[in-house]
Amino acid sequence: EDQVTQSPEALRLQEGESSSLNCSYTVSGLRGLFWYRQDPGKGPEFLFTLYSAGEEKEKERLKATLTKKESFLHITAPKPEDSATYLCAVQAPSGAGSYQLTFGKGTKLSVIP
Amino acid sequence: SQTIHQWPATLVQPVGSPLSLECTVEGTSNPNLYWYRQAAGRGLQLLFYSVGIGQISSEVPQNLSASRPQDRQFILSSKKLLLSDSGFYLCAWSVVSGGSPLHFGNGTRLTVT
Repeated sequence: EDQVTQSPEALRLQEGESSSLNCSYTVSGLRGLFWYRQDPGKGPEFLFTLYSAGEEKEKERLKATLTKKESFLHITAPKPEDSATYLCAVQAPSGAGSYQLTFGKGTKLSVIP
Repeated sequence: SQTIHQWPATLVQPVGSPLSLECTVEGTSNPNLYWYRQAAGRGLQLLFYSVGIGQISSEVPQNLSASRPQDRQFILSSKKLLLSDSGFYLCAWSVVSGGSPLHFGNGTRLTVT
């Protein structure tokens, strides 16, 4: 069974204090690892897809990296507007040509001015 | 560009009443469509997915059903709501291939009273 564990559950940072969020996964036949940002009362917003170990993607203050067992979302010099819940998900084949997406429970990030 | 519309944004319904939530996608053809429920502390739970008109796969036995009457329309229904049906319902779409991310609507907050 595919599993995704995100840590920490919640993280409070001062504005400008860089840190990382962790996503550990167990999956057979990874097709992709996805990071999403979710604001309260809204649907998740897609950020990145990572396909293979060693791959990195960047967007503004966010950088996602991938190893064979985990992914990190690095946040450099965060601002209050980066406050949100960050979700990680892994996709793997589920048989008959279809794919299954397994989500972690998320990390709630709060950036204090 | 592709957009996804989901309505209503909020809904309060009495126990035993029917439910119909609608989702439409614009700017793409033959997408995979999904219904998820998100509960606090439990993460995103896949309820139904569809790879084509009239094709529905159910992931969790429950009081809900889904239909896809048109290529880019996905409907979540119930004949009689239960208190346990309360939650945040999200519709999503993806292109038909592994390794492609899901793109979510802004969700419907359903409260069953």
